[in-house]
Amino acid sequence: SQTIHQWPATLVQPVGSPLSLECTVEGTSNPNLYWYRQAAGRGLQLLFYSVGIGQISSEVPQNLSASRPQDRQFILSSKKLLLSDSGFYLCAYLPEDRSSYNEQFFGPGTRLTVL
Amino acid sequence: ILNVEQSPQSLHVQEGDSTNFTCSFPSSNFYALHWYRWETAKSPEALFVMTLNGDEKKKGRISATLNTKEGYSYLYIKGSQPEDSATYLCASPVYGGSQGNLIFGKGTKLSVKP
Repeated sequence: SQTIHQWPATLVQPVGSPLSLECTVEGTSNPNLYWYRQAAGRGLQLLFYSVGIGQISSEVPQNLSASRPQDRQFILSSKKLLLSDSGFYLCAYLPEDRSSYNEQFFGPGTRLTVL
Repeated sequence: ILNVEQSPQSLHVQEGDSTNFTCSFPSSNFYALHWYRWETAKSPEALFVMTLNGDEKKKGRISATLNTKEGYSYLYIKGSQPEDSATYLCASPVYGGSQGNLIFGKGTKLSVKP
């Protein structure tokens, strides 16, 4: 069966500190991978997506970056966090077969608070 | 750019009330519409995938309808229970997008009081 993991679940970081959030998928190969963020009072915003190893597309310019070093691993990073980076971060995947009209499956999320 | 809109933004009902909310999307080049249920601090959970005009799907007390000609979908909850409290998201695939991207609405946050 397919599963998706994210860690950490919660994180409190000072402004200016680095960030690394990790997402891994099991039970599927060559998925599309996505990073979303929900800031307070706002909707779900797509940050990055990847269609393959080393391939990253950015939807919103910002101080975040993403990397996909392995087929089923997706990492969200920042060198220096801003207060505005606070929010709930979700990783999602789209199985290669796309059998459900591009239905994406989500990880449990990371609650990031930047102080 | 595809815009997916949801209304209302939030909704407060009493236990036992029936309720509904709306997702609207551009009707041209329709491919599919997804409904997700998102509880606080949990993963969004897929409820329905709607693909055909006039579709009506049901899961327990929750049902959804689709009108692709006018570009809207309704989600209905019959006899709301406190455990129905969540944010309900709708999303539509980006037309012509080979990356499988979805455009999400901002969600309707439902609170059901016991």
